[in-house]
Amino acid sequence: NAGVTQTPKFQVLKTGQSMTLQCAQDMNHEYMSWYRQDPGMGLRLIHYSVGAGITDQGEVPNGYNVSRSTTEDFPLRLLSAAPSQTSVYFCASSYYRAAYEQYFGPGTRLTVT
Amino acid sequence: GQQVMQIPQYQHVQEGEDFTTYCNSSTTLSNIQWYKQRPGGHPVFLIQLVKSGEVKKQKRLTFQFGEAKKNSSLHITATQTTDVGTYFCAGPASGTYKYIFGTGTRLKVLA
Repeated sequence: NAGVTQTPKFQVLKTGQSMTLQCAQDMNHEYMSWYRQDPGMGLRLIHYSVGAGITDQGEVPNGYNVSRSTTEDFPLRLLSAAPSQTSVYFCASSYYRAAYEQYFGPGTRLTVT
Repeated sequence: GQQVMQIPQYQHVQEGEDFTTYCNSSTTLSNIQWYKQRPGGHPVFLIQLVKSGEVKKQKRLTFQFGEAKKNSSLHITATQTTDVGTYFCAGPASGTYKYIFGTGTRLKVLA
């Protein structure tokens, strides 16, 4: 099993550009989530999904969209990038509604200039 | 909203010394998870505690869940350089599937 994979590993965007961060898992996990990590801020939940077709907002959802059309994939879309979105983004998955351990992907380091 | 705070924010110890990080939630938690993140890496699950007053051990690591299920601690005995990293606690916001992470404690171990 590859576990949780994320692409790209690094990305530089200009203010106003849009892009999609990809996340996939091959463990048939129901629960998937996106976090951002800023220095000294810990991990903050952006959006999460408890199954295909079901998504909900986390602590910091503004400026991000998600969809979950399949169990395996949970892409995160930045509609119009802003410097405040410069961060490291982690995708995670869990067997059942995060009541079990979350497996994290390797992260995407995003810089918005 | 629910807040999860950890203290201390940073801790430097000499190799062989003990280390403890504390996690405090503003609300009661149904369970609490602990993660370790090595520098430049991603969070890796360590353990989950569910019961009030629960204590679990993993080699030199001891995890405790408070009686009121609002706080938790991680204690490392005789730290080693391999213990370097940031330790996070995480718990579900009441009645939701949102896992809120604590602010983390960054541990440095001096050889």
